[in-house]
Amino acid sequence: EAGVAQSPRYKIIEKRQSVAFWCNPISGHATLYWYQQILGQGPKLLIQFQNNGVVDDSQLPKDRFSAERLKGVDSTLKIQPAKLEDSAVYLCASSLALASSEQFFGPGTRLTVL
Amino acid sequence: ELKVEQNPLFLSMQEGKNYTIYCNYSTTSDRLYWYRQDPGKSLESLFVLLSNGAVKQEGRLMASLDTKARLSTLHITAAVHDLSATYFCAVDMEETSGSRLTFGEGTQLTVNP
Repeated sequence: EAGVAQSPRYKIIEKRQSVAFWCNPISGHATLYWYQQILGQGPKLLIQFQNNGVVDDSQLPKDRFSAERLKGVDSTLKIQPAKLEDSAVYLCASSLALASSEQFFGPGTRLTVL
Repeated sequence: ELKVEQNPLFLSMQEGKNYTIYCNYSTTSDRLYWYRQDPGKSLESLFVLLSNGAVKQEGRLMASLDTKARLSTLHITAAVHDLSATYFCAVDMEETSGSRLTFGEGTQLTVNP
């Protein structure tokens, strides 16, 4: 069974530029999550989708971050414009159902903002 | 707001020794995960603990959950170098909106020969 796919794996941009990350969850997984993991910390949830609807985006900095999952399968996370403090690994995870379901993580995208 | 605290944050130990990592959390939850993360890699699920008193073991690692004390432990027996990694606990606060994980800060384990 293929795992959660993410691309790109690495990205270096200058501050104020825009960047987008892509995630393809495990086939059949209805719930998709985006996490931000700053170096030396645990992952922090940014946004959670159930199919193509947003379930929780309370911790998403909406002035610069946006995410979509238009067809309820793959998802993109965008940052516009990026700040230095956005340097982190962005992890995508998926789970089979909305509740009581283990999350499986992708390899992550490491973003460096200069 | 749920707080999840791990200790120690850094652990250096010799091969063959035993040690325990602690995970304390501030709000009632019956579902807790332990993950392993190698440098530059993603999170690998180790254990899912679903109820008070749950104990799970895999190789040299054993995890337990005490929901009344809001405490989980990850015990390492006779450590080997291959166990060197960062270990995270994550508490699942199931809400009407679904599963929501809050992670601890992580424990960076180094096993020395």
